[in-house]
Amino acid sequence: QKEVEQDPGPLSVPEGAIVSLNCTYSNSAFQYFMWYRQYSRKGPELLMYTYSSGNKEDGRFTAQVDKSSKYISLFIRDSQPSDSATYLCAMSTPSGGSYIPTFGRGTSLIVHP
Amino acid sequence: EAGVAQSPRYKIIEKRQSVAFWCNPISGHATLYWYQQILGQGPKLLIQFQNNGVVDDSQLPKDRFSAERLKGVDSTLKIQPAKLEDSAVYLCASSSRSSSGNTIYFGEGSWLTVV
Repeated sequence: QKEVEQDPGPLSVPEGAIVSLNCTYSNSAFQYFMWYRQYSRKGPELLMYTYSSGNKEDGRFTAQVDKSSKYISLFIRDSQPSDSATYLCAMSTPSGGSYIPTFGRGTSLIVHP
Repeated sequence: EAGVAQSPRYKIIEKRQSVAFWCNPISGHATLYWYQQILGQGPKLLIQFQNNGVVDDSQLPKDRFSAERLKGVDSTLKIQPAKLEDSAVYLCASSSRSSSGNTIYFGEGSWLTVV
């Protein structure tokens, strides 16, 4: 079993739809939970991060962490064609004073007009 | 603020040849990472530097991969000899202790095709 599991998709939705992206994990020591967005032929860019359980909202994006279920989600409201990208979840735990994220394989999202 | 710079962006080599990738992190970032991302997979950490010292290289295939970070700034990742399965994007990233949750910032990657 991989430490972080993520459905690769692709997930295809119409413009304006609410998108739900999810990851599960096995390592209960993870403390930071992050979502990265990666456009084609670009490096990942951080969208949101959350410490421990709970919700965090930033504009059209909401991140949820349920540590009891080892499950994290990213919701995108009013999705736009410009949201079409691969979304990577990542999780980290402190190690020697630094945090090295472990990534999921990414979910490909396609938002069509 | 300038981002993480990487070069070359694209490289095609034959198997058993060698290749080197260069990275310049964000100014002031003490921590530098090299990740390998195979098509359809998430990034996998190869090596992490703190200043010019190695923190973690447990997943670096040391028989063919090497990396250095002289003077604690720029870094070079070398592959010699390359294998077909080394075809991937090599992502350099950097972070500082002041980054929230130790947020890491990625470069655009160096795309390697081994034929």
